[in-house]
Formats: sequence, C-alpha cells, structure tokens
Amino acid sequence: KAGVTQTPRYLIKTRGQQVTLSCSPISGHRSVSWYQQTPGQGLQFLFEYFSETQRNKGNFPGRFSGRQFSNSRSEMNVSTLELGDSALYLCASSLEAGPDTQYFGPGTRLTVL
Amino acid sequence: KQEVTQIPAALSVPEGENLVLNCSFTDSAIYNLQWFRQDPGKGLTSLLLIQSSQREQTSGRLNASLDKSSGRSTLYIAASQPGDSATYLCAVYSAGNMLTFGGGTRLMVKP
Repeated sequence: KAGVTQTPRYLIKTRGQQVTLSCSPISGHRSVSWYQQTPGQGLQFLFEYFSETQRNKGNFPGRFSGRQFSNSRSEMNVSTLELGDSALYLCASSLEAGPDTQYFGPGTRLTVL
Repeated sequence: KQEVTQIPAALSVPEGENLVLNCSFTDSAIYNLQWFRQDPGKGLTSLLLIQSSQREQTSGRLNASLDKSSGRSTLYIAASQPGDSATYLCAVYSAGNMLTFGGGTRLMVKP
C-alpha cells in the first residue's frame, strides 16, 4: 500500500504570495491532519479533517486554511506569506476519526524569501 | 494546555549500549501516546503507539512504557546500532487525532 504523499516536496515563495500544499492519504484513510515544523517551535498542530469536515484546529492565524475532498485528499493554503512561515509542513493520515495511529508523509519544505 | 517535554535533548552513545529516552506530559487526560523517529529532513516514522489503557508496547528492540498517573513515558532501545541515529519524538493524543509533540531527543550512536 502506498504511503502518504505530499506535493510539492519543495517550494520557494516570496513574502505576500500565497501557497497551496497537497496531501494524499493512505488508501482507505479518512482522517488527515496537518503540522508545521520549525527549528524554534518544533512540531505544531494546524488542523484535522475527517469526512470533509474540520474537526480540530490549532492556534494559527486565519491565513492558514485547509480543506478535504470527498476522496479524502486534502489541501492547505497559506495566504499573505510571511518569512516566519518557512517550515516543513507535514501531513498525516489515519484510518478513523481518532485517536488512531498517525502515518506521516515526507513533508513539503516551504521557504519564504 | 498540554505540554510535552523530552529529556535529554541530545544523546551520544557507543554502539551496543542500551538506552532510555524520557517523555513527560502535564495533563494525564490523554487518549494514546505515540513514539516517532525522524531522520534529517524527512517525515516521521511511527515506532510504537500505546493506548491509554496499556502500560507498554514492544516492537523488536524497542519497548515503550506509559504511566498516565505520573505523566511519563519511556522508550527503551536495546543494543543500539548506528542506524538508530535519528531524532525521537513522543506525542500525546489529546482530542481526536490532534497530537502534541515533545521537542525530541537527538540520538547519535557511534560505531
């Protein structure tokens, strides 16, 4: 079974732009969660989706948003990028709504210049 | 607010040693606890998940224990190998699939 895939793997943007990251969960998994990883703050929870509904949201500004499609694929969007948004963005999927074992993708490395 | 702490932040050991990584959390009302491994620049690999009703889980040379009442978990690695070098992260499930992570322990196993 294929693992969690994330596209693109690397991204370079400039301040003020917006970006969309994509995550395809493991086949059959219906829950998708997003995390931001930075050297200073570590891994922080962004949001969780299950059956196209946002179930939990972390403490991030409204510039960070997400959605989940009927095939469980998920996207997250960051608008008006800031330098501090440079990070590794990780997506995780699980079979059920939780708590359930999380399986992580390789991440998207976003650099904001 | 749940806070997760991992001690030590970094550890260097010679190959073959048995070692223990520590994880503590402030709110004992957790659902599950999961240990991960992260190699540089990569995603997270799940090692062990301990359900809140369990005391420990084992997989090969790894053994993880959970003591909810004291807010602690340990990851025991037996007969360490250079390939075990990575950052080890513990995370607790507080609501749904929302994970709160510790800062990690960076392990270096020297040949």
